[in-house]
Amino acid sequence: AQTVTQSQPEMSVQEAETVTLSCTYDTSESDYYLFWYKQPPSRQMILVIRQEAYKQQNATENRFSVNFQKAAKSFSLKISDSQLGDAAMYFCAYRTNTDKLIFGTGTRLQVFP
Amino acid sequence: DGGITQSPKYLFRKEGQNVTLSCEQNLNHDAMYWYRQDPGQGLRLIYYSQIVNDFQKGDIAEGYSVSREKKESFPLTVTSAQKNPTAFDLCASSTPRGPENTEAFFGQGTRLTVV
Repeated sequence: AQTVTQSQPEMSVQEAETVTLSCTYDTSESDYYLFWYKQPPSRQMILVIRQEAYKQQNATENRFSVNFQKAAKSFSLKISDSQLGDAAMYFCAYRTNTDKLIFGTGTRLQVFP
Repeated sequence: DGGITQSPKYLFRKEGQNVTLSCEQNLNHDAMYWYRQDPGQGLRLIYYSQIVNDFQKGDIAEGYSVSREKKESFPLTVTSAQKNPTAFDLCASSTPRGPENTEAFFGQGTRLTVV
């Protein structure tokens, strides 16, 4: 069965600095999708970025980018120029080839001015 | 506007009582999901459905039941067998696998409390 592991329960970063959140997963599938979601205090789940496993190029969305290492089954999220509004829970997620969507336990990111 | 609507936002359940949470989407998505988020925890999958009249158990299905009679609707019934005192339940939907828009869209959530 597929699993998603986020080994950092909490992280902190100073405003304008860069932070990297880690995610590893376990699977025997070759074709799948990976996501990072943000959950602010409102608890609304917001998509941050997605990566298709068949694409070698790392996905980028403005200040957010990923380092996708398929062989190592690693999918880390880098946030550049951190802002106070980036403070939230961040969840890594994996979508299987049967549409099952599995989440990690999350990383709480604090941003200090 | 397209989206996912969960209701109610808050729900109180007496011990021994069954309650049903509503989830409706007008995004024309085939797949729908129910997750539970316990305080300070991640999202754990309760049930998911890839298509109408079909659904699969997730990791914590005990004490829950679902139906998928319509593409737009995926209600979750919490039975008296579910002992968790408080939970935040989230519904989501997504398109079939393809090159675009493979992410899940989420509802606002239902806070369920046993009284």
